[in-house]
Amino acid sequence: EAQVTQNPRYLITVTGKKLTVTCSQNMNHEYMSWYRQDPGLGLRQIYYSMNVEVTDKGDVPEGYKVSRKEKRNFPLILESPSPNQTSLYFCASSSAGLGREVADTQYFGPGTRLTVL
Amino acid sequence: GDSVTQMEGPVTLSEEAFLTINCTYTATGYPSLFWYVQYPGEGLQLLLKATKADDKGSNKGFEATYRKETTSFHLEKGSVQVSDSAVYFCALRIAGYSTLTFGKGTMLLVSP
Repeated sequence: EAQVTQNPRYLITVTGKKLTVTCSQNMNHEYMSWYRQDPGLGLRQIYYSMNVEVTDKGDVPEGYKVSRKEKRNFPLILESPSPNQTSLYFCASSSAGLGREVADTQYFGPGTRLTVL
Repeated sequence: GDSVTQMEGPVTLSEEAFLTINCTYTATGYPSLFWYVQYPGEGLQLLLKATKADDKGSNKGFEATYRKETTSFHLEKGSVQVSDSAVYFCALRIAGYSTLTFGKGTMLLVSP
């Protein structure tokens, strides 16, 4: 089954304790992206990656890191989480051709609800 | 910059009522337009899309028409069901770019 998986689904942590949220897709997609969803703000892009070893900042990258060492995985790293990073996080993937021609349909993971105390 | 504006929710309807969720956009280039749906506890799924002016996207009884003259992409359904209760997001993507720009989402609640 084609899918995007995220782990963990729920996480409660404390300020300053480094954490990683994993994202994996089994569709051989080139493009992967992280979003955060907050009430009244909709979805905002954090980082995206056009392919292995190619990452770019989205609209709200501060406080986050990503890496793309393998095509299927795109982990989101919070080196020193703060309470304002409490949010619902979504990973998404899509096929992409040469350059920036990302396919229209993006496939989303089930979400990770993060609470930073 | 590019932006999407949706009507604020929640939209509360009775089963079999007619649904309209308004969406307007501003874009620097020529966008493709999308509606995504998020059911409770799940990620977003593509509901329908339109890639050029006057195109109509449709799926599961939902429809939306790309109106370039009014920069709109309103979502409609003739008869909603309880199972349509979800959050609906309008989004755009400029040709040649990867980023989806989302609206803030509109919650739909359908009662029996």
